[in-house]
Amino acid sequence: DAKTTQPPSMDCAEGRAANLPCNHSTISGNEYVYWYRQIHSQGPQYIIHGLKNNETNEMASLIITEDKKSSTLILPHATLRDTAVYYCIVRVGNSNYQLIWGAGTKLIIKP
Amino acid sequence: DVKVTQSSRYLVKRTGEKVFLECVQDMDHENMFWYRQDPGLGLRLIYFSYDVKMKEKGDIPEGYSVSREKKERFSLILESASTNQTSMYLCASSSPGAENYGYTFGSGTRLTVV
Repeated sequence: DAKTTQPPSMDCAEGRAANLPCNHSTISGNEYVYWYRQIHSQGPQYIIHGLKNNETNEMASLIITEDKKSSTLILPHATLRDTAVYYCIVRVGNSNYQLIWGAGTKLIIKP
Repeated sequence: DVKVTQSSRYLVKRTGEKVFLECVQDMDHENMFWYRQDPGLGLRLIYFSYDVKMKEKGDIPEGYSVSREKKERFSLILESASTNQTSMYLCASSSPGAENYGYTFGSGTRLTVV
């Protein structure tokens, strides 16, 4: 599975959109981009995933560039409860391969 | 709501004790995983299982063993606990047939070995 690069930390004002970038320049055509987040002292929580098209669900939007080499997770109206570590992971979608976890981005939402 | 349940949220054990961490999932997932998480080191895979009675070593299996006698239950065993096994332990499950192929995690067990 391809590796990902994320900034170690970001700040965002409450009520604004939080845009979290992720680079995955070695991704292949059959690899999905997954996003998880981990709120302090809890297990990671699935947010969203996509293959090549942009995706949206009740939690977030995922924008994947046309060449798939990078993506952006968007939290449209960040709240204090969105403060967490956000992980971007790429993997083959329906394989049994385990996820490879990087350091993620520590997102701090400020009032 | 689907769940992965870890038996204990916090545990304190003595050095040399045999420790059992239990994980149960109610999603009929084939795959189950045990991770430990330490500050600055991220999530590291200890063991995983793709089926009942099947197990595979992850990145850091030393000092641990696992048991999967039933599909819904995956146990992590510390044969003789040591202080360097003080950590947050996370269980997860997944299935190739699940909607998002992703992982569902438990809330974690914070183990302290004294």
